[in-house]
Amino acid sequence: KQEVTQIPAALSVPEGENLVLNCSFTDSAIYNLQWFRQDPGKGLTSLLLIQSSQREQTSGRLNASLDKSSGRSTLYIAASQPGDSATYLCAVRMDSSYKLIFGSGTRLLVRP
Amino acid sequence: EPEVTQTPSHQVTQMGQEVILRCVPISNHLYFYWYRQILGQKVEFLVSFYNNEISEKSEIFDDQFSVERPDGSNFTLKIRSTKLEDSAMYFCASSEEGTAPLHFGNGTRLTVT
Repeated sequence: KQEVTQIPAALSVPEGENLVLNCSFTDSAIYNLQWFRQDPGKGLTSLLLIQSSQREQTSGRLNASLDKSSGRSTLYIAASQPGDSATYLCAVRMDSSYKLIFGSGTRLLVRP
Repeated sequence: EPEVTQTPSHQVTQMGQEVILRCVPISNHLYFYWYRQILGQKVEFLVSFYNNEISEKSEIFDDQFSVERPDGSNFTLKIRSTKLEDSAMYFCASSEEGTAPLHFGNGTRLTVT
């Protein structure tokens, strides 16, 4: 059974820092991996999707990498801003399945 | 930018009552999903829907749950007889096709008393 874990559970950094959020999964037979942002009381906003054949994806200040064989993905946020404060979730989709399996998230606070 | 919309934003119901949660997916999307998040827990998959039928469902999605696409725009989740443990945030999502990124609505907070 696939388990998705995110470390750390919470992170507080001063504005301007570069930071890395980690996601690990136990079964490497994934189809893709998606990173989301969740603001309090809101839905999930898709940030990046990495197919299993890809190593990384970039969007603006965000870069997500995937090492399928070791069961790891990282989300790198450059030059963090207070507006980046949110919970970041990773989710994997397995081969032959439509469902996403989510981690419990990293709650990020960027202090001005 | 097109978005998934969900109504109501908050629903309070008594145990044993039926509740219908409504969603309008993005118009050109073909795949529709329901997820839920119990307070303090992970987001959990409930069901996926494509071509007017359920394509996959989780163990949570038992006979008390049903989904329907009654017209060309709405996608609904019905819980026939709500239990206290059904209290959660329910998220609708849609995607252009099965491998594309999912786009989520803002959720409906269901409180069962």
